[in-house]
Amino acid sequence: DAGVIQSPRHEVTEMGQEVTLRCKPISGHDYLFWYRQTMMRGLELLIYFNNNVPIDDSGMPEDRFSAKMPNASFSTLKIQPSEPRDSAVYFCASSSAGLSSYEQYFGPGTRLTVT
Amino acid sequence: DQQVKQNSPSLSVQEGRISILNCDYTNSMFDYFLWYKKYPAEGPTFLISISSIKDKNEDGRFTVFLNKSAKHLSLHIVPSQPGDSAVYFCAASESNFGNEKLTFGTGTRLTIIP
Repeated sequence: DAGVIQSPRHEVTEMGQEVTLRCKPISGHDYLFWYRQTMMRGLELLIYFNNNVPIDDSGMPEDRFSAKMPNASFSTLKIQPSEPRDSAVYFCASSSAGLSSYEQYFGPGTRLTVT
Repeated sequence: DQQVKQNSPSLSVQEGRISILNCDYTNSMFDYFLWYKKYPAEGPTFLISISSIKDKNEDGRFTVFLNKSAKHLSLHIVPSQPGDSAVYFCAASESNFGNEKLTFGTGTRLTIIP
């Protein structure tokens, strides 16, 4: 059973470049979340979708960040232009509404380094 | 403002002894709490949860205690094993219908000493 798939696993880019992170949620899950992990702030929720519709993007730090979910099996998180302070591990997670809805399944993460 | 706080960034415990990880929260609307475990280069995985209608939930070696008046929860691992070495995140949610949002703490790195 495939879990949440994220690509790339590592991304190194120069300041000012566009970065696109990709996520494939678990089939049948109707919630998708994007998180950022840093030492100082732990796991921060950036945005989440329900049935492909963005529900809460209050965690998106700036207009440089955008996320889309064109269909139930794919989502992207884009940073344009990227800055060194965006360096972090970005996780995608998915979940299914129901009794265990609070349990989220995480992908392996994308480690982003902006130089 | 950090609504879920894990004030100990790290903890070392001897193998076989009890590990106690602590978590505090400030939002009184939180009524569902979870612990996640994270190994290096992997995503967090769900470990155990508790609803605010309970004060204790047990699953094998793992027990979570909730003190609502103090807005405090703790995770007990007994006995601790080397495979328990990981980063542990506390998370909280308001169980409004349709609100799937989790607020995470900063994590505690647990090291089990053989």
